[in-house]
Amino acid sequence: AQSVTQLGSHVSVSEGALVLLRCNYSSSVPPYLFWYVQYPNQGLQLLLKYTSAATLVKGINGFEAEFKKSETSFHLTKPSAHMSDAAEYFCAVSASSGTYKYIFGTGTRLKVLA
Amino acid sequence: EAQVTQNPRYLITVTGKKLTVTCSQNMNHEYMSWYRQDPGLGLRQIYYSMNVEVTDKGDVPEGYKVSRKEKRNFPLILESPSPNQTSLYFCASSRNRNEQFFGPGTRLTVL
Repeated sequence: AQSVTQLGSHVSVSEGALVLLRCNYSSSVPPYLFWYVQYPNQGLQLLLKYTSAATLVKGINGFEAEFKKSETSFHLTKPSAHMSDAAEYFCAVSASSGTYKYIFGTGTRLKVLA
Repeated sequence: EAQVTQNPRYLITVTGKKLTVTCSQNMNHEYMSWYRQDPGLGLRQIYYSMNVEVTDKGDVPEGYKVSRKEKRNFPLILESPSPNQTSLYFCASSRNRNEQFFGPGTRLTVL
């Protein structure tokens, strides 16, 4: 079975500051891991994914995430926040074999302060 | 343009009146899925389909039905909607276990 925990339902950062959104997962099989972003009144779009290749994954809009098996984590970072990064971010896990279920975290709303 | 479409985008209905939300994708994806999004709960998977005529329950299937008769379509059926099914619904598709492409969402209100 898989599960995802996102620490912090709301995160505020100043424009230009580091963005760090936390995601921990559990999975009984090697996982695929994803970060999605949702802007107001829109669907979700993929930021980046880990599918058992490189552990440091780079995505769109300057975001990246590192898969750490020992810590069961897949935290999302961006060196310098921009006002346009304000959105809700979701971490998700699926199994690389067996079930095709997708499990999403409860989301983190990022606020960027001028 | 590659896309997932959902209809209707907004729907207000009354308890017990059967409704169907349609979902269609033009990317020839095998995998399709329905989610509901509720504040503080994130997205929860209702049903998913790995291919035509192959469907399975997600985490919150009660009160919903699906069918996959064609690869491109995956309608969500609420046979007897209740107020606790008021939510924002998303359809998504993907090629196998890869990233999912989401539709724009359907906001459903059941009175």
